[in-house]
Amino acid sequence: NAGVTQTPKFQVLKTGQSMTLQCAQDMNHEYMSWYRQDPGMGLRLIHYSVGAGITDQGEVPNGYNVSRSTTEDFPLRLLSAAPSQTSVYFCASISGNTGELFFGEGSRLTVL
Amino acid sequence: GNSVTQMEGPVTLSEEAFLTINCTYTATGYPSLFWYVQYPGEGLQLLLKATKADDKGSNKGFEATYRKETTSFHLEKGSVQVSDSAVYFCALFTNAGNQFYFGTGTSLTVIP
Repeated sequence: NAGVTQTPKFQVLKTGQSMTLQCAQDMNHEYMSWYRQDPGMGLRLIHYSVGAGITDQGEVPNGYNVSRSTTEDFPLRLLSAAPSQTSVYFCASISGNTGELFFGEGSRLTVL
Repeated sequence: GNSVTQMEGPVTLSEEAFLTINCTYTATGYPSLFWYVQYPGEGLQLLLKATKADDKGSNKGFEATYRKETTSFHLEKGSVQVSDSAVYFCALFTNAGNQFYFGTGTSLTVIP
C-alpha cells in the first residue's frame, strides 16, 4: 500500500535553477495539495487541486507552478529557485470518505 | 478568516506525566478538527479527529474534545511515554474554504 509517494527526498539547487518535485498517490483521491514546512511557521499551503484539470493557489503560491493532468499525479515545479525556497515540502491527498489528509514523507530542498 | 493557534513549544515532560497541548481556532462555517503527529524524519500522520461540536476524538491514549463554545480542541494524554516524542499539529478543515489550516506545531520531548 504505497499511499502518497514523493521524489526526490533530498535536493540541492543553485539559485536560478528549476526543478520538479514529483508526487503520486494510489488511493484515487480527488484532492491533492502541496505544503512547505519551515521552522516556527508550521505548514503553509502552496497549491492544491480538487480534481484532474483543476488547480488553485494556496497561501504561498509565488515561485511555484502545478498541474494535474491525472488523478494520481500532482507535480510541483520551481521555476527559478531562490534561497527563500529552502524548505521541506510535503505532498498530501484527502480521502473523500473520511476527510483525512494523507502525507508523503517529505522532500528536503536546499537552494544555495 | 480561518486560522489555528496552538501553544508554543518546545514542551519537555518526564515519562508518565500528564500532557496538555492547547489549540484554539477561528473558522467560517462548521469545520472538522484534527491533530496530526510528526515523528522525526517522517511526514505527518493523523492522530485523531472530530467532525462536529462535542465530539471527542481519541487514539493511542490521546484525546481531544471539539468545544464550539470556546473554539478549542486541546490535546491531552494521561501518561506520556518516550515514544510520544514528536511534533504535534492542530488543524482544521472547512468545506467553505476547501483547505486545511495548520497550527505552527508543538514539539514534545519525553524524558525517561
